[in-house]
Amino acid sequence: DAGITQSPRHKVTETGTPVTLRCHQTENHRYMYWYRQDPGHGLRLIHYSYGVKDTDKGEVSDGYSVSRSKTEDFLLTLESATSSQTSVYFCATSEPFPRTDTQYFGPGTRLTVL
Amino acid sequence: KNEVEQSPQNLTAQEGEFITINCSYSVGISALHWLQQHPGGGIVSLFMLSSGKKKHGRLIATINIQEKHSSLHITASHPRDTAVYICAVLGGNQFYFGTGTSLTVIP
Repeated sequence: DAGITQSPRHKVTETGTPVTLRCHQTENHRYMYWYRQDPGHGLRLIHYSYGVKDTDKGEVSDGYSVSRSKTEDFLLTLESATSSQTSVYFCATSEPFPRTDTQYFGPGTRLTVL
Repeated sequence: KNEVEQSPQNLTAQEGEFITINCSYSVGISALHWLQQHPGGGIVSLFMLSSGKKKHGRLIATINIQEKHSSLHITASHPRDTAVYICAVLGGNQFYFGTGTSLTVIP
């Protein structure tokens, strides 16, 4: 298994508070992704990074920001959490095509915003 | 409209049955992935395809680029195959995902 960890694994927070989720990889993969998974929607891309300090928005980026200061870490920040951001968040990594053989997923973070 | 559509959404099978899950996509792609999400939530990659057919054990994946369609087949299904199967396509730098097919295999 690829070495991808996420922290925390579970978090309960209140509306309006800032939240930061961390993704750490030991595979030296260039690309990293943050997704959210909600019933009926499947996985949706929030933001992705194609290198250190290089990031871009996905389809559901509103209310989220990211940072990648080194290859192994990709942070997702909710500046002011809302109940609509209650979800399961997955981090993933890959190499760019054609070196891509697959995406490797972290174990997920379950976030509840009250 | 989803770029990736899967069918069926839900599937229940008896142990030993042959199973087919379908995926259609509308974007230009460089590769297609089949993923498995276990009941505990973890996601693992089963296959990456850019053409033709691949086989791993009891799993077979095919892709028809002209028709923008892929199928995942499970031969001799087993209760441990119970999971959600997700089709994902790589278009540009992004992956687009189907909503998944929930498979339950009954002993």
